[in-house]
Amino acid sequence: DAGVIQSPRHEVTEMGQEVTLRCKPISGHNSLFWYRQTMMRGLELLIYFNNNVPIDDSGMPEDRFSAKMPNASFSTLKIQPSEPRDSAVYFCASSPDANYNQPQHFGDGTRLSIL
Amino acid sequence: TQLLEQSPQFLSIQEGENLTVYCNSSSVFSSLQWYRQEPGEGPVLLVTVVTGGEVKKLKRLTFQFGDARKDSSLHITAAQPGDTGLYLCAGSSSNTGKLIFGQGTTLQVKP
Repeated sequence: DAGVIQSPRHEVTEMGQEVTLRCKPISGHNSLFWYRQTMMRGLELLIYFNNNVPIDDSGMPEDRFSAKMPNASFSTLKIQPSEPRDSAVYFCASSPDANYNQPQHFGDGTRLSIL
Repeated sequence: TQLLEQSPQFLSIQEGENLTVYCNSSSVFSSLQWYRQEPGEGPVLLVTVVTGGEVKKLKRLTFQFGDARKDSSLHITAAQPGDTGLYLCAGSSSNTGKLIFGQGTTLQVKP
C-alpha cells in the first residue's frame, strides 16, 4: 500500500518567493496533519484537518502560512512570502480518524531552505 | 501549555548495553505514543499506550505508561546498531487525535 506521499522532497528558494508543499494522504484516512520539524523546536503541529475541514490551525505561525484540503486525497501548505526562518523539514501525516489512540502515518517530509 | 519533556536528549552507547528513555509531563494524557525516526524519513509509530500502568513489549523494547498517565518510559534491552535513531514520545489529551511531541532522544548504538 502506498504511504503518505509528499512533494517536493527538497525545495530551495529565495526569500520572498511563494512556496507550495503538497501531500497525498493514505487512501481512506480521514484526518490529515501538517508538522514542521527544526532542531530548536522539534516537531510542531501546524494545522490538522478532519474530513477535509480544518479543525485546529493554532500552530500556524502567522498569516504567511495557509493550508487547504480541497478533497480527501490532496492537501497543500503554502508560505507566501517565504522567509529564512521558515527553513525546516515539513511533514504531512494522516490517520484513519481523529481519535486519540489512532496511529499517525508520516510522509518522508519536504526539506525547505529559504535563502 | 502542555509540554512533554524527554530525557536524555542524546545517548551514545555500545552494542549490547541496556538503556531507558523517559518522557515526562505535568499534564494527564489520554494516550501516549512512541515513534522512531531515521534520517531523511518521517517518524514511524512503535506503540500506543492508553491505560495507566500499562506495559507493552515489542521484541527488545518495553514501553510503560505511568499510573497517573503523565509519564512514560522506553527501555531497550541489549541495544543493537539498528536501534540507532531519534525516539519521540507524543501525547494526546483530547479525543481529537491532536498530538504534542517531545523534543526527542537521539540514540546512537556503536558496534
